[in-house]
Amino acid sequence: SQTIHQWPATLVQPVGSPLSLECTVEGTSNPNLYWYRQAAGRGLQLLFYSVGIGQISSEVPQNLSASRPQDRQFILSSKKLLLSDSGFYLCAWSVGRQAISYNEQFFGPGTRLTVL
Amino acid sequence: KQEVTQIPAALSVPEGENLVLNCSFTDSAIYNLQWFRQDPGKGLTSLLLIQSSQREQTSGRLNASLDKSSGRSTLYIAASQPGDSATYLCAVGRGGGSQGNLIFGKGTKLSVKP
Repeated sequence: SQTIHQWPATLVQPVGSPLSLECTVEGTSNPNLYWYRQAAGRGLQLLFYSVGIGQISSEVPQNLSASRPQDRQFILSSKKLLLSDSGFYLCAWSVGRQAISYNEQFFGPGTRLTVL
Repeated sequence: KQEVTQIPAALSVPEGENLVLNCSFTDSAIYNLQWFRQDPGKGLTSLLLIQSSQREQTSGRLNASLDKSSGRSTLYIAASQPGDSATYLCAVGRGGGSQGNLIFGKGTKLSVKP
């Protein structure tokens, strides 16, 4: 069966510090991978998605970047955090290798980021 | 631009009651619609996925319907239990070059009282 991991679970960082959040998926190959952010009162917002190694698409211009160094690894980064980067970050996957994905998205446990 | 709205934002019901959660979307050109459950501080759990060609899906006490032409979906929960208390999120899937990316509503927070 497939499993998705995220770490760390919780993170408190000062403004201006760097960020690295990691997501890995087990039990599947060539997945589509996604990063979402859930901010209080704003709902879930798609940040980045990837259909393959090194292939990243950004949905929202921001202070963040994403990378996919391996097939089942997705990393969210920032060089300098802002207060507005605080939120709950969720990684998700779906069956890939399709021009149009009709399949379900499955979410990880999330990382709670607080920027002070 | 696709917008997804969920009404009501919060709902409190006594245990055993049947209930309906509503989801509406502005652009009927969707590829699928997915219902999720989120417990406080946790990730999302997929409940039901309805493809655009389908009218409904059922899983246990849950039934989700989809009416693309009117831009609506409902999640019906039968015989509610305190364990059903959570936030329920609706999301519509886009197609084409967006690889099925999901647009989420803000959710309905359900509380089932014993």
